[in-house]
Amino acid sequence: TQLLEQSPQFLSIQEGENLTVYCNSSSVFSSLQWYRQEPGEGPVLLVTVVTGGEVKKLKRLTFQFGDARKDSSLHITAAQPGDTGLYLCAARDKLIFGTGTRLQVFP
Amino acid sequence: EAEVAQSPRYKITEKSQAVAFWCDPISGHATLYWYRQILGQGPELLVQFQDESVVDDSQLPKDRFSAERLKGVDSTLKIQPAELGDSAMYLCASSLTVAGDEQFFGPGTRLTVL
Repeated sequence: TQLLEQSPQFLSIQEGENLTVYCNSSSVFSSLQWYRQEPGEGPVLLVTVVTGGEVKKLKRLTFQFGDARKDSSLHITAAQPGDTGLYLCAARDKLIFGTGTRLQVFP
Repeated sequence: EAEVAQSPRYKITEKSQAVAFWCDPISGHATLYWYRQILGQGPELLVQFQDESVVDDSQLPKDRFSAERLKGVDSTLKIQPAELGDSAMYLCASSLTVAGDEQFFGPGTRLTVL
């Protein structure tokens, strides 16, 4: 079974702090995606990374795909309460989602 | 803006009863997915349709779950009989084609089995 393990599972921080979420696997993927899901809603796609070593930025969010295309990270700079949610990585070609990281940002 | 519609948003049922969820994908999207998401975890694929045909239902518990997309547009997921362990969020998603396109998710149906 191909698994996408995310860490940490939970993260509770103050507004303005930086954080990094990790998505790891023993398998190689052609691409990885990151989603954010708010309570009572479906996941919403944030970014897709395709090339090993690729870095993409979305405002205060920085996404990186590992050189070997087995892992990815999401870094948030100066977190805000609006960043609160469940962050999910996903292997689009395998339709597999990660275990999730629940982020809570307090004002 | 086009959205994936799901109904009902919430469903409470007793174990051994039958339940059904409905999904209407974004117009023109050929691929439709049903996922189950246990609270706080990532979604798990139950079934994938390409038009009216099932592409992958390997993770669908076929003894009690069924899914159909008769006209290749909207879809129904049924559970009969429901068990306590079926309590979860059931998400529907659609994409333009099978490979690589962005999946758009509906708001989900929250099922509670008592």
